[in-house]
Amino acid sequence: GENVEQHPSTLSVQEGDSAVIKCTYSDSASNYFPWYKQELGKRPQLIIDIRSNVGEKKDQRIAVTLNKTAKHFSLHITETQPEDSAVYFCAASAGYQKVTFGIGTKLQVIP
Amino acid sequence: DGGITQSPKYLFRKEGQNVTLSCEQNLNHDAMYWYRQDPGQGLRLIYYSQIVNDFQKGDIAEGYSVSREKKESFPLTVTSAQKNPTAFYLCASSQGLAGGEQFFGPGTRLTVL
Repeated sequence: GENVEQHPSTLSVQEGDSAVIKCTYSDSASNYFPWYKQELGKRPQLIIDIRSNVGEKKDQRIAVTLNKTAKHFSLHITETQPEDSAVYFCAASAGYQKVTFGIGTKLQVIP
Repeated sequence: DGGITQSPKYLFRKEGQNVTLSCEQNLNHDAMYWYRQDPGQGLRLIYYSQIVNDFQKGDIAEGYSVSREKKESFPLTVTSAQKNPTAFYLCASSQGLAGGEQFFGPGTRLTVL
């Protein structure tokens, strides 16, 4: 089955700096890669996703890149703000297969 | 945040007792999922269902059971066979399994006393 590794497990950045979270996956058939944000005490919510026919996708301060050859994808947050502090999960799935999540990255943005 | 609900928010159980967690969605989604969340272990899939009256085991199904008698409902039973049931349980739904956003419920925190 699919295996998704995510790092780092914790990340602290100064407000205004960039944050990068990286994930690798094992199943070359995976073609859908979502990222979820879970604020403290709340449910996970999708913030951005990318499909395997696209190498990069941006949404305001958030971007995701995908390298299919190396089987890794990354989340980039620019100009971080205190409200970006949360746990971020990457995930991967292959068509009509279940989604496999990474272990999560706890991001702390220091004002 | 609306559309998928879980109840109760907090649940306490004595060892040896079965307990059922409720999950309901009004999004008309075909697929539903149950995850267990433990600190440092991310979201681990317990069971998932693509259509009514059908469900598949996830990565950590031992000690759990589910049913899918209605499209909008996917209850999870934590049985006494689950050796370490204290955890935060999240239910989710999506339009289908073909790669799409999952919508999560607010979760149920189960504590075994």
